[in-house]
Amino acid sequence: DQQVKQNSPSLSVQEGRISILNCDYTNSMFDYFLWYKKYPAEGPTFLISISSIKDKNEDGRFTVFLNKSAKHLSLHIVPSQPGDSAVYFCAASNRAGNMLTFGGGTRLMVKP
Amino acid sequence: SQTIHQWPATLVQPVGSPLSLECTVEGTSNPNLYWYRQAAGRGLQLLFYSIGIDQISSEVPQNLSASRPQDRQFILSSKKLLLSDSGFYLCAWSVWLGETQYFGPGTRLLVL
Repeated sequence: DQQVKQNSPSLSVQEGRISILNCDYTNSMFDYFLWYKKYPAEGPTFLISISSIKDKNEDGRFTVFLNKSAKHLSLHIVPSQPGDSAVYFCAASNRAGNMLTFGGGTRLMVKP
Repeated sequence: SQTIHQWPATLVQPVGSPLSLECTVEGTSNPNLYWYRQAAGRGLQLLFYSIGIDQISSEVPQNLSASRPQDRQFILSSKKLLLSDSGFYLCAWSVWLGETQYFGPGTRLLVL
């Protein structure tokens, strides 16, 4: 039972354009959502998070949007840079004590 | 600041040999600790987590085991490796179970 899904295994974007990575979840008890970035042969790096009391959180070029009614979150990267090429994982949890549940990842390729 | 270390970085082992991967965290006390595996081209699979010394929970049945002999030390072991144990092993820590996890650099294990 995949509670967190990233339906696009890969995404290709031109440098300077916007990258939009999507994530869907099924557990309505989730109240904390995160995005991680992972380069090959390295550990994932925490990027940005959002609490369920918000619908948007922004940090520089990265913005996470949360649509609770649709159980959907997205990560916007603008402008995209070649160094953003990596695998992006979304994750969700119920802060009352459940651990993070990770999506399967989306490989982003930003072309120069 | 907190740091997390994993070693070795790379390991090539024959089938049937034992395994011991080590993870240590600095700069925090009583962290929650996690072991994940990422098979080639796949997502993150949670293997074990620990909320305290000698408190280990297993998420998937397999020939791996974990131990936490000290507060900030987490060890992943196997008595006899299988070919299917090949992958990228990641250790992570968090303050609370449902909060952000911070990952180590990972260990690449190749079983031949």
